Amino acid sequence: NAGVTQTPKFRVLKTGQSMTLLCAQDMNHEYMYWYRQDPGMGLRLIHYSVGEGTTAKGEVPDGYNVSRLKKQNFLLGLESAAPSQTSVYFCASSYSTGGARTEAFFGQGTRLTVV
Amino acid sequence: QKEVEQDPGPLSVPEGAIVSLNCTYSNSAFQYFMWYRQYSRKGPELLMYTYSSGNKEDGRFTAQVDKSSKYISLFIRDSQPSDSATYLCAMGDNTNAGKSTFGDGTTLTVKP
Repeated sequence: NAGVTQTPKFRVLKTGQSMTLLCAQDMNHEYMYWYRQDPGMGLRLIHYSVGEGTTAKGEVPDGYNVSRLKKQNFLLGLESAAPSQTSVYFCASSYSTGGARTEAFFGQGTRLTVV
Repeated sequence: QKEVEQDPGPLSVPEGAIVSLNCTYSNSAFQYFMWYRQYSRKGPELLMYTYSSGNKEDGRFTAQVDKSSKYISLFIRDSQPSDSATYLCAMGDNTNAGKSTFGDGTTLTVKP
């Protein structure tokens, strides 16, 4: 099993450019998440999805949009990149919480630099 | 004030030492407590998962939860250089769409 796969792994953008980060999971998980990780600030939730066709805002959603057209994919878009969006982005997925477990499985991350 | 506070570190210990990593939290609704390990330039991976108060042991790792004090710990016995990583505590409840709240992480270095 591949688990959670993120594409691309590295990217450098110029201020104002747009891009889409792709996350794919093969575990049939209902929930998917996008986090950003910055030095000294831990993992901060950007957006999340509780199922195909649904999305919701997390802790730091401004400047980002997401879509979940298929259950296995969760896309994160930056419409007009800013230097403040330089970060490492992690996608994660988890089981439905009907049975109560909330551990997440993470991808390997995308290192984004906006210059 | 953050919902989850984690001892900031960094922590440097000699090989074979016992390591204690700690987090406190303020949300009494948290029921699930997790420890993730993150190696440099990798994604976090689940190390330990516990539900409610008590201890859970897995090899050299013991997770401890004290809900009355809102305090969780991860103990590593006989630490090895391969344990060098950043450790993140995370917590969740059953009503929050499966979301977890993470601590900022403690970076551990185990020296041979």
